[in-house]
Amino acid sequence: EPEVTQTPSHQVTQMGQEVILRCVPISNHLYFYWYRQILGQKVEFLVSFYNNEISEKSEIFDDQFSVERPDGSNFTLKIRSTKLEDSAMYFCASSETSGLSGDTQYFGPGTRLTVL
Amino acid sequence: AQSVAQPEDQVNVAEGNPLTVKCTYSVSGNPYLFWYVQYPNRGLQFLLKYITGDNLVKGSYGFEAEFNKSQTSFHLKKPSALVSDSALYFCAVRDTGGFKTIFGAGTRLFVKA
Repeated sequence: EPEVTQTPSHQVTQMGQEVILRCVPISNHLYFYWYRQILGQKVEFLVSFYNNEISEKSEIFDDQFSVERPDGSNFTLKIRSTKLEDSAMYFCASSETSGLSGDTQYFGPGTRLTVL
Repeated sequence: AQSVAQPEDQVNVAEGNPLTVKCTYSVSGNPYLFWYVQYPNRGLQFLLKYITGDNLVKGSYGFEAEFNKSQTSFHLKKPSALVSDSALYFCAVRDTGGFKTIFGAGTRLFVKA
């Protein structure tokens, strides 16, 4: 069964450094998403992406964050200058069609980001 | 604003007994409702969803959920629990007009042998 994959599984970085989290969505999916879960808190939506454009973003997704689909398979989340409060589990997800139709979003295993 | 409530942090049930994990929601329009399960060191695995139609939805691993519009609930059920069902369960909702999925806080299910 096709799966969303994410690398690395755990990333440790110093405050102020840039990090790039990588995801490989399911191959025939067209919509891509990032979510995060701070330890002990709810899973929160960050951004959705379709056709090389952001289709929706939350208030969390400020100028420090960016997303990109650099090639036909990868989908990345970049945090330009990490803060302590960016420490969280980051989940990538993908769906075949638009979420507007109720399509299921399939999640990857997550990348645990620790900012020191 | 959209929201999801899972009133129980943990549910304990004996193996072989029926289980229910509760979820209520609030959306402005018609909801798309989902259940996901998370095992240790794994991602969120899709279990089932309600889009429209029959209020009783069947999903993976013998789970089902009942959509109740008047009570704005979408409780997850299974007739006979297994020890391997022990995991963290998330209810989620998406408004028909948006892309983002709103998650509940999660309910830890513990099935005792």
